[in-house]
Amino acid sequence: GAVVSQHPSRVICKSGTSVKIECRSLDFQATTMFWYRQFPKKSLMLMATSNEGSKATYEQGVEKDKFLINHASLTLSTLTVTSAHPEDSSFYICSGSLLSGGPETQYFGPGTRLLVL
Amino acid sequence: AQSVSQHNHHVILSEAASLELGCNYSYGGTVNLFWYVQYPGQHLQLLLKYFSGDPLVKGIKGFEAEFIKSKFSFNLRKPSVQWSDTAEYFCAVNAIPGGYNKLIFGAGTRLAVHP
Repeated sequence: GAVVSQHPSRVICKSGTSVKIECRSLDFQATTMFWYRQFPKKSLMLMATSNEGSKATYEQGVEKDKFLINHASLTLSTLTVTSAHPEDSSFYICSGSLLSGGPETQYFGPGTRLLVL
Repeated sequence: AQSVSQHNHHVILSEAASLELGCNYSYGGTVNLFWYVQYPGQHLQLLLKYFSGDPLVKGIKGFEAEFIKSKFSFNLRKPSVQWSDTAEYFCAVNAIPGGYNKLIFGAGTRLAVHP
């Protein structure tokens, strides 16, 4: 099946610093990549959708200047948490969507756990 | 706005018991429906999906789900659970109004199966 990787798997940073998380589709071209945030014991909340070569579309309530998303190629999308604060600590998950001519199915990465001190 | 509700947040079963997890969605148009599973410490994996056709879909590991359009439901079932089914289960809906397709997830149901 299609594989999505994320790097790093875990990151600890100081408050005020920026953190970049990479999401790669390893064996397919992801025309669309999605970024989610998973709170403890809660579901995934979609943060934004990015299409290769265009600006990301953010969900309501998600600060686009704080969560910068770049989708420079069909296999790589990055999420940068700028000026991170402790409330940004969370589990961030990306997924890649395979456009196969029919309804899409998303393939999820293993997630990145961010802890802001 | 589209939403997905999962009725049970926490389910505890003994091995060999039957399982049914409820999922209802709110969207009047065409939808794709999914059940994902997240085993402890692992990433989300697709259990099964419904796009069209037979409303009873079979997935991996003996799971199945039935799409009942009139009830806006897509309940997950397994006749006999195993300890290894202990995981969190998420129902998700993908509305198809055109444009990009995104998944709306339910809050999840945490299943614990005791030997």
